[in-house]
Amino acid sequence: DGGITQSPKYLFRKEGQNVTLSCEQNLNHDAMYWYRQDPGQGLRLIYYSQIVNDFQKGDIAEGYSVSREKKESFPLTVTSAQKNPTAFYLCASSVNRGGNQPQHFGDGTRLSIL
Amino acid sequence: RKEVEQDPGPFNVPEGATVAFNCTYSNSASQSFFWYRQDCRKEPKLLMSVYSSGNEDGRFTAQLNRASQYISLLIRDSKLSDSATYLCVVTIQGGKLIFGQGTELSVKP
Repeated sequence: DGGITQSPKYLFRKEGQNVTLSCEQNLNHDAMYWYRQDPGQGLRLIYYSQIVNDFQKGDIAEGYSVSREKKESFPLTVTSAQKNPTAFYLCASSVNRGGNQPQHFGDGTRLSIL
Repeated sequence: RKEVEQDPGPFNVPEGATVAFNCTYSNSASQSFFWYRQDCRKEPKLLMSVYSSGNEDGRFTAQLNRASQYISLLIRDSKLSDSATYLCVVTIQGGKLIFGQGTELSVKP
């Protein structure tokens, strides 16, 4: 089945540790996105990529890094510089970043601090 | 002022009720509009796009008022399975999506 796969579903991080969240899609979508969702809040954009080997910062990129070496994959690293990483992380993709393209989401990764 | 604002709810309604959600947006150059549904602790899923002329999908009707900068979602004959959080989403220049914080709906038997 076509879709977006995020792993792991749950992740625990120790203080000072970097962790990487995986996002893979087989929809042949050009654009991919990472969002963070905190309780009672809307989704906030961390990073996005419109094409392989290119990515742009979103609204809350500090403490995060990404790469886009393959069209199918857009991993997110939560670095130790991110002081409040506990959140629900959602990866999404769309055909392209055109104005009328809806985004489709993976089922998310819940990150918690130990 | 938030770019996209929704009534957070919760809306508690009996089965069979009709319920309406409103959403306002601040950017007059907003291009596209969507409603997403998010179940508890799950990812958002696209419910429907919102077109200028209004559109309907079964029990769901979406409307857009560009002059007043608001979007609405009407759910008729609500079912228990409609219980979820409904997210209003607006696209601005460059294709960036702005999400509202969501309106929680709880349908009771």
